[in-house]
Amino acid sequence: QVQLVQSGAEVKKPGASVKVSCKASGYAFASYGVSWVRQAPGLGLEWMGWISAHNGNTNYAQKFQDRVTMTTDTSTSTAYMDLRSLRSDDTAVYYCARDRYSSGGGDYWGQGTLITVSS
Amino acid sequence: QSALTQPRSVSGSPGQSVTISCTGTSSDVGGYKYVSWYQQHPGKAPKLMIYDVTKRPSGVPDRFSGSKSGNTASLTISGLQAEDEADYYCCSYAGSYTYVFGAGTKVTVL
Repeated sequence: QVQLVQSGAEVKKPGASVKVSCKASGYAFASYGVSWVRQAPGLGLEWMGWISAHNGNTNYAQKFQDRVTMTTDTSTSTAYMDLRSLRSDDTAVYYCARDRYSSGGGDYWGQGTLITVSS
Repeated sequence: QSALTQPRSVSGSPGQSVTISCTGTSSDVGGYKYVSWYQQHPGKAPKLMIYDVTKRPSGVPDRFSGSKSGNTASLTISGLQAEDEADYYCCSYAGSYTYVFGAGTKVTVL
């Protein structure tokens, strides 16, 4: 069965970087894109970007353009989201999702990774 | 890119129908046939319910249906059930290979 398993929760200081991983199984990883979506505590979903697992092409939301890098490793079927220059308002649950239908999110989601930014 | 506008909450009794609106602009909802809807229960990951305005992924009950008119998309839940109580988010393609989510709507089953 399709599964996306994300890395564990982390606490970071302002100005630091974080790299969240998303390991896929149960499907041909390189055949689909991966979306990244975040959700601040008590707030709504926010689209961060998308990466093609086939060729590594990326599309980022303008808000994150200069602070985020999304990559994939097809040898391990893993997607990564690297966010730099963290601020307190980056505190959120970060989700990866398999984007089968070009829907912004996806048809299968990871369990989410809580990133807390605090001094 | 501003979030799409959704009502904060809607409610209905079991068996009734509820409709959630999602209003954007001609640069997103109105400009493309790429609106999706997600259901999210507390503490859980979102679940895709509708994509491409009207299409349902395998396994989603046909009680859930989507539509669009102009700059407003809608999700209708017919025959409301207790397990439908959740937050619902719309999402639209916004051009230049980017997407925007709605602010979310809480559905309460009375």
